[in-house]
Amino acid sequence: QQQVKQSPQSLIVQKGGISIINCAYENTAFDYFPWYQQFPGKGPALLIAIRPDVSEKKEGRFTISFNKSAKQFSLHIMDSQPGDSATYFCAASTRGNTPLVFGKGTRLSVIA
Amino acid sequence: EAGVAQSPRYKIIEKRQSVAFWCNPISGHATLYWYQQILGQGPKLLIQFQNNGVVDDSQLPKDRFSAERLKGVDSTLKIQPAKLEDSAVYLCASSLSSLSREQFFGPGTRLTVL
Repeated sequence: QQQVKQSPQSLIVQKGGISIINCAYENTAFDYFPWYQQFPGKGPALLIAIRPDVSEKKEGRFTISFNKSAKQFSLHIMDSQPGDSATYFCAASTRGNTPLVFGKGTRLSVIA
Repeated sequence: EAGVAQSPRYKIIEKRQSVAFWCNPISGHATLYWYQQILGQGPKLLIQFQNNGVVDDSQLPKDRFSAERLKGVDSTLKIQPAKLEDSAVYLCASSLSSLSREQFFGPGTRLTVL
């Protein structure tokens, strides 16, 4: 049972454009929503995370938008750069040191 | 600060053989996770340790997979015997404590079962 649904599966964006990746969840007990970035041959690295008490969090060019009523959250990458080309995973977990449940990932390619 | 270390980085074995992976978490991190990442999918938890005790192994195929974390530091994950469908990247992650939500991942071990 996939608890976090991620889309699109792949995304091609022009340099300088905005990349948008969406995730939806079903478990209302989730209270932590991180995004991980993974380059080929590397492990996932935390990019940015949000909790459901805020609707938006911004760190540099990366922004998470969170819609609690719709049970959706999204990652926006502003001014996308070729160096942002990677696979991005959304994830979620519940309170109490529970493991992360990951989406299937989005392969982002930023072309010049 | 050194990150999560894993070895080997790559392993190719025949089906029905056994294999072991090693993980050294970030110093001082009490919680350790093993994830399986099949090509084209997100990581899936296999087992979670808190110090040297198992917290969650509900998704570990216990007929062939085993893991231990003696002394609450390093951990090993073993597969015996391996099946073709075990081909995946095995990721180790650690977090500071049971209250810390951020997990730090190692580079993974890519296993190919022929």
